[in-house]
Amino acid sequence: GAGVSQSPSNKVTEKGKDVELRCDPISGHTALYWYRQSLGQGLEFLIYFQGNSAPDKSGLPSDRFSAERTGGSVSTLTIQRTQQEDSAVYLCASSPGQGSSGANVLTFGAGSRLTVL
Amino acid sequence: GENVEQHPSTLSVQEGDSAVIKCTYSDSASNYFPWYKQELGKRPQLIIDIRSNVGEKKDQRIAVTLNKTAKHFSLHITETQPEDSAVYFCAASIQTSYDKVIFGPGTSLSVIP
Repeated sequence: GAGVSQSPSNKVTEKGKDVELRCDPISGHTALYWYRQSLGQGLEFLIYFQGNSAPDKSGLPSDRFSAERTGGSVSTLTIQRTQQEDSAVYLCASSPGQGSSGANVLTFGAGSRLTVL
Repeated sequence: GENVEQHPSTLSVQEGDSAVIKCTYSDSASNYFPWYKQELGKRPQLIIDIRSNVGEKKDQRIAVTLNKTAKHFSLHITETQPEDSAVYFCAASIQTSYDKVIFGPGTSLSVIP
């Protein structure tokens, strides 16, 4: 696609419910990132996929968070048993990836704003 | 793992003045240092980047400098304009290997007309 697409753009859920956030990266980009941005805060790294390598999950804040990337393209971030502190904007980014020109130049999606009541 | 610090957290300048944002990184293997600008309500976008084989890079009113020995790099904006008001994030990564991009906490720049 022309850019990184994320859905839903907004999600309001009740505490304790599970949510899934989707990211569709730029076609051909082998690297995909998830970041979390709380209100007025920075870009907190969550997880990183590069090609067929095992993902770097070192930023996931708890075992309630998980992510998959199917077929090297679309990724889904799942938050189980949501808590109020999970409220934030979840940003996905993709880049051409290792061995490519501009390997680490990130293109961000518009984000999914999650509100946990 | 890599840790990136950034100062100041907020910066206010008069239109036409210069602004400087400084970052330090911890991993001496890092060799790629981008800067992203995030305007209010929008997604971050790359404005300039520098690789470890150069010490300075300029693009119109924006310049970045890198001191690998000291492990710090800086963003310089000259002749600031109101549209420069945004949050600026520095970042570091190892471009030649399988490695993630880690961001600093951000600097909120306000340019006062």
